[in-house]
Formats: sequence, structure tokens, C-alpha cells
Amino acid sequence: AAGVIQSPRHLIKEKRETATLKCYPIPRHDTVYWYQQGPGQDPQFLISFYEKMQSDKGSIPDRFSAQQFSDYHSELNMSSLELGDSALYFCASSRGRGPHQPQHFGDGTRLSIL
Amino acid sequence: AQKVTQAQTEISVVEKEDVTLDCVYETRDTTYYLFWYKQPPSGELVFLIRRNSFDEQNEISGRYSWNFQKSTSSFNFTITASQVVDSAVYFCALSEASNFGNEKLTFGTGTRLTIIP
Repeated sequence: AAGVIQSPRHLIKEKRETATLKCYPIPRHDTVYWYQQGPGQDPQFLISFYEKMQSDKGSIPDRFSAQQFSDYHSELNMSSLELGDSALYFCASSRGRGPHQPQHFGDGTRLSIL
Repeated sequence: AQKVTQAQTEISVVEKEDVTLDCVYETRDTTYYLFWYKQPPSGELVFLIRRNSFDEQNEISGRYSWNFQKSTSSFNFTITASQVVDSAVYFCALSEASNFGNEKLTFGTGTRLTIIP
């Protein structure tokens, strides 16, 4: 079965640079979530979208922005990168919204800031 | 506020032993959902199970079983006859239904399970 696709899988950037992470949800899934997982930590919710509108917002820095496009894919834009942004970034998708919906995760993008 | 506690940071067992991973949660909602995810060394997060707060039936899926007890706010996960492929970090997670727009998952800190051949 098709899964959530994230690109790139690995990304190396330097401080103060920008980065864009992409997420392609499972077909017919209309809700997308972004999470950040630091080394040895649990995933932390950043932001979610439902039908191309922002649905919920967590601990996402002001330097980050995201959107969901008409084809339901989503992009997380990160600017003025800091060393602390080094983490595994997950995208998840679900069909419909609501706390009962299982979120299916992609393989993640590992972002390293030098 | 919602909170998930996985007190066991790391567990090691010999292959074929049974192992139980503990999960304790806190929520003020009467309606909520509990999940378990597996994160193997390759890094992806794999959905294992969802349980809603109104369904306290235990569930079994092959070698996996889950014990949900509202009285103790626990949702424990047991692997029977463990195998090396079970080695992973396991996360318990919670979402609340009080605010329909709030679908975020709150994860526990995870339990690293190592199965020794």
C-alpha cells in the first residue's frame, strides 16, 4: 500500500540557511501533520492542515512556516536555521480529521545543521 | 493537560521471552484515544494500534497484545515470544477529543526494546 512520502530523506545545511521539506500524503488523505523529533526524544507536534487550511498549531518556531497545497501535499519551510533545528522531521497523514484518526507517518527527513 | 509516561527507558530481554511495555497517561477528557507506535532502527514510525476510551476490551494481534485499564490510566503492550525484529523504540501516544480541532498526538518518551539473540 502507498505510504506517506517525504523528501529529501537527508538534508545538510549550515546555520542561517533555509530549508524546505516536502510531504506527500497517502492518496485520499486530506489531513497532514508535522512533527519534530530531536535526538533521543519523542516526536513533538509542530503544525497540521486539513483541506489546505491550518488546523492546529504546536510548538513551531516563528522561523518555520508550512502550507498544504491543492493536491494535498505539504511543505515545511525553515529559515535562519539554528544548530538546535537538527532533528528528524516527520510528516503524517490521515483520512479526515479528529483525534480518533490514526496518523500514518512517513520515513522522516533527517536535517543536520552544521 | 495531557501527558503520557513511559517509565521504562530501556528494556533488554532474550529472544523468545515475553515482555511488557508500560504506558500511563493523564487526561481530563472523558473521550480520548490511545496509540502505540514502533520506531525501528531505520527511523520510521509505524502505527500499531488505536484504542478509544470507551473500549476497554483487550486486543490481541498475533504476538502482540494490549491491556487497557481506565481505572489505572494504563495502556500496556505485551510482546509474546519476542523476536530480534521486535527490537525498536516503542512510543505510546494520546489524543484528546475535547477540542475537535486539536488532533495532535502527545507521545511518551519511548521505551527502547532490545531483543538479544
